[in-house]
Amino acid sequence: TQLLEQSPQFLSIQEGENLTVYCNSSSVFSSLQWYRQEPGEGPVLLVTVVTGGEVKKLKRLTFQFGDARKDSSLHITAAQPGDTGLYLCAGSYGGSQGNLIFGKGTKLSVKP
Amino acid sequence: ETGVTQTPRHLVMGMTNKKSLKCEQHLGHNAMYWYKQSAKKPLELMFVYNFKEQTENNSVPSRFSPECPNSSHLFLHLHTLQPEDSALYLCASSQGFSNAYEQYFGPGTRLTVT
Repeated sequence: TQLLEQSPQFLSIQEGENLTVYCNSSSVFSSLQWYRQEPGEGPVLLVTVVTGGEVKKLKRLTFQFGDARKDSSLHITAAQPGDTGLYLCAGSYGGSQGNLIFGKGTKLSVKP
Repeated sequence: ETGVTQTPRHLVMGMTNKKSLKCEQHLGHNAMYWYKQSAKKPLELMFVYNFKEQTENNSVPSRFSPECPNSSHLFLHLHTLQPEDSALYLCASSQGFSNAYEQYFGPGTRLTVT
């Protein structure tokens, strides 16, 4: 049973388009992180969301944590080829548990 | 530059070989992690060390043996691996071991077992 479902699994778009990827769970998380991973590299942390309903912006990227802290979305405005990569969400149950639960990721390709 | 380095970046080994993966973090963190990333699977946590003490071992086969001599260095010793162990092995570190601390990953070692 996968605890964190990411959708879509693959996404191929043209430069300039907008897109949204989703991260859903039946579990409540204390916090949720988004990472981007490029081929041959490790994941790089983009943002951490902690409060239900929280919205964070990172240039053209907008992250939202669901009110119930079970889901999250990442919206990219005017995508660029440099946004290409694997987007991973990871949830934490909190307390003394530092373990992160990862989704399988959304593989994004932005074509010029 | 994430401050977490891993060597080697690529490794090909036979099933009877013994090799070690090395991870070093330059961030002053106290917790270090080994993850396995296989195609079509989520990142799998293998081991966690907090202040050099192992706190997690997620049912990892004994052919994988971790070592953490200090809070900056982490090793993964490999012996008699199977072809299904081929994967990207990622090291990560965090300031402490709790949900409040963000994890920073190294670039990984791409392991192929022949």
